[in-house]
Amino acid sequence: NAGVMQNPRHLVRRRGQEARLRCSPMKGHSHVYWYRQLPEEGLKFMVYLQKENIIDESGMPKERFSAEFPKEGPSILRIQQVVRGDSAAYFCASSLGQGQKTQYFGPGTRLLVL
Amino acid sequence: TQLLEQSPQFLSIQEGENLTVYCNSSSVFSSLQWYRQEPGEGPVLLVTVVTGGEVKKLKRLTFQFGDARKDSSLHITAAQPGDTGLYLCAGLSPSGNQFYFGTGTSLTVIP
Repeated sequence: NAGVMQNPRHLVRRRGQEARLRCSPMKGHSHVYWYRQLPEEGLKFMVYLQKENIIDESGMPKERFSAEFPKEGPSILRIQQVVRGDSAAYFCASSLGQGQKTQYFGPGTRLLVL
Repeated sequence: TQLLEQSPQFLSIQEGENLTVYCNSSSVFSSLQWYRQEPGEGPVLLVTVVTGGEVKKLKRLTFQFGDARKDSSLHITAAQPGDTGLYLCAGLSPSGNQFYFGTGTSLTVIP
């Protein structure tokens, strides 16, 4: 019973490049959440998605960041024109949904922007 | 503004000692979760509490949700080196769309 999977685990980008982070939820889970953990800071919510729908993106920066969860395939968090301040650990969590709010986290993707 | 404050921020104890970690807020939460996170890994869910006054036990770990559902505590009995890690509490937002995470307690258990 595979848990939440994220890849890549580590990603290095130069300033101005694009970063694509992927998340496959637990089997049977249709709700995905993305969080960011900056060095010495706690986990901050970014976006909540269901299949083909963005439910809550109140934590997403207004520019350069986007997320999707297509009907088929993993959820993608995309960061365009990365800057050094984007360096962080990005975690994906999934839940069963429909009242089941318990979230299970993946191992994270550590993004380093040079 | 940090919705959930955890204390202490850092804790270093000897193997075999007992400890309590606190998670406090001025907000009411319908659900609160505790996680443990190890370096380089994602948070691992320990427990979910939903009822005011609820007490849950997981081996040597005892979790309590305050009567008013604003605070919670985690008590570890006879700590072991394997308990070392970052302990995070998280409260479900009113919208139910996200969890607000606490500041974390970094625990080190010395053999």
